Amino acid sequence: GEDVEQSLFLSVREGDSSVINCTYTDSSSTYLYWYKQEPGAGLQLLTYIFSNMDMKQDQRLTVLLNKKDKHLSLRIADTQTGDSAIYFCAESKVRGAGNMLTFGGGTRLMVKP
Amino acid sequence: SQTIHQWPATLVQPVGSPLSLECTVEGTSNPNLYWYRQAAGRGLQLLFYSVGIGQISSEVPQNLSASRPQDRQFILSSKKLLLSDSGFYLCAWRVRLGYTFGSGTRLTVV
Repeated sequence: GEDVEQSLFLSVREGDSSVINCTYTDSSSTYLYWYKQEPGAGLQLLTYIFSNMDMKQDQRLTVLLNKKDKHLSLRIADTQTGDSAIYFCAESKVRGAGNMLTFGGGTRLMVKP
Repeated sequence: SQTIHQWPATLVQPVGSPLSLECTVEGTSNPNLYWYRQAAGRGLQLLFYSVGIGQISSEVPQNLSASRPQDRQFILSSKKLLLSDSGFYLCAWRVRLGYTFGSGTRLTVV
């Protein structure tokens, strides 16, 4: 199975909170990331969390990490239409001589006005 | 400042033609560099990574190859493109705790 899993789709109304969930399998992951991809564009780093943290808040974004269950979530408060995009969860792993990101399949967030 | 450049932005190539995508970074030395591919409507798959000049690790067997002729240059190539090589190719580098991505190249093989 996939190392990192996300639900495919989430639809919310403008002004509501969005919660995007992610599960991962590698307990040795040191950092976990959330990236945003707008249509036709590259990936924009939104936030990251170190594996020994439970929570990280940055303005409208809150990341929760449950290391025991290997569950990561991204909460977007007061969701706006400009938040519509694909959101990728990723875990950082050491492999061979390098360190790399393994991505989930992405969650498409649609914000309805 | 640290920046990453990737070109071209879009490319349409016939089946069987060669490919060369270039990625360069500025403002750092000895970066870890990566090539990812995103097939239509899907997540990102790691293709190659490099920890130094001439050092290339391949994650999946495929029709592509990578080279790192200079410290801050990472090239993705193919001798003969297949239809299945179509996708969105992203170069990335690891900067301390985070990874920064280029703007991507959308490749369509026809």
